[in-house]
Amino acid sequence: SAVISQKPSRDICQRGTSLTIQCQVDSQVTMMFWYRQQPGQSLTLIATANQGSEATYESGFVIDKFPISRPNLTFSTLTVSNMSPEDSSIYLCSVEVHPGGEQFFGPGTRLTVL
Amino acid sequence: AQTVTQSQPEMSVQEAETVTLSCTYDTSESDYYLFWYKQPPSRQMILVIRQEAYKQQNATENRFSVNFQKAAKSFSLKISDSQLGDAAMYFCAYRSAETQGGSEKLVFGKGTKLTVNP
Repeated sequence: SAVISQKPSRDICQRGTSLTIQCQVDSQVTMMFWYRQQPGQSLTLIATANQGSEATYESGFVIDKFPISRPNLTFSTLTVSNMSPEDSSIYLCSVEVHPGGEQFFGPGTRLTVL
Repeated sequence: AQTVTQSQPEMSVQEAETVTLSCTYDTSESDYYLFWYKQPPSRQMILVIRQEAYKQQNATENRFSVNFQKAAKSFSLKISDSQLGDAAMYFCAYRSAETQGGSEKLVFGKGTKLTVNP
């Protein structure tokens, strides 16, 4: 299993600013994922972050808007840049400890952009 | 691309009764995994049950069981003896198990909001 923490748990930001979300795992994992959950919606993958390589972004998400860092096997950050109200969502990180096994999720970061 | 469809936006059940949540998916792959996740108001995603496509036997976890119909691409979740703590959003999810060209990402359905009435 894996225990995941995220910081901050929530934030209210002004449009045009940026917010960096941190994801910390209690064990070393190869694959980390960042998801977005818009209000009342399902989860959509933003990108997959592997240690030692650039993140792989899904269609509709770009590095300039959502830069990701993965400096080691237990930590990753997602930055939401130049925010607009449409970025108001819950952002969740997850990890897969074993291929095909359960993906463990962090508690999420609730972002509100005014 | 794979898609997951949950046709029931909301469901309700009486405490101690049984409820079934529907999920269908579309894929051209033969090897994959299917999951049901629960998201209570605390928004923590919790794995309820997992099914490997190559296994014909339906997965069970205590009061939770699935009806996996591979040919029909159907993966329903049955909750028996429903409890108030089962109230949550339930998401069906797909993950490829293909070693060549497969993706590790989870593809989620839109979710079903389950209400448990006392």
